[in-house]
Amino acid sequence: EAGVTQSPTHLIKTRGQQATLRCSPISGHTSVYWYQQALGLGLQFLLWYDEGEERNRGNFPPRFSGRQFPNYSSELNVNALELEDSALYLCASTVERGTATNEKLFFGSGTQLSVL
Amino acid sequence: GQQVMQIPQYQHVQEGEDFTTYCNSSTTLSNIQWYKQRPGGHPVFLIQLVKSGEVKKQKRLTFQFGEAKKNSSLHITATQTTDVGTYFCAGPGSGYALNFGKGTSLLVTP
Repeated sequence: EAGVTQSPTHLIKTRGQQATLRCSPISGHTSVYWYQQALGLGLQFLLWYDEGEERNRGNFPPRFSGRQFPNYSSELNVNALELEDSALYLCASTVERGTATNEKLFFGSGTQLSVL
Repeated sequence: GQQVMQIPQYQHVQEGEDFTTYCNSSTTLSNIQWYKQRPGGHPVFLIQLVKSGEVKKQKRLTFQFGEAKKNSSLHITATQTTDVGTYFCAGPGSGYALNFGKGTSLLVTP
């Protein structure tokens, strides 16, 4: 069974550009979470999607947005990139919605975004 | 909002020594999860604790959930080089977000 897949593995952008990151959850999982992992800051919750809807977002500006498609894959968009957006962006999926805090997260390998 | 704090931030041990990382929350947690991230890898789920005072073991790893459900610990007995990585605790936040601590990075030298 395939795990959570993310693309691209690495992404290099310049300040002010837009970045699009993609995630495919494990088959049968309907919930997708996005986390930002910057050096020394641990994993910061970004967004949660379930059944195509945004269910919750973390303390990030509106230029961080995304969506979930009917096949439950997800996209994270970061507009007007800033240098401090450089980080590893991790996607995770879970099997059940609504009880996500009690379900373990399955993480993808991440997209390393570098903003120059 | 609910936050989980982890200490220490870093730990360097000789192979064979024990290791413990601690996780503390400002509020009572319904449950707590632990993850391990190997260098260059992604977080992998280790365990979930739900009950007050719960203790679970996985080979050399012992996980505890405090009586007040505000703290947790992970203890590794006789560390091995394969234990190298960053260990994260995570507790439920608002709106079904899972809030992670900043992690404890473990380095084991042979």
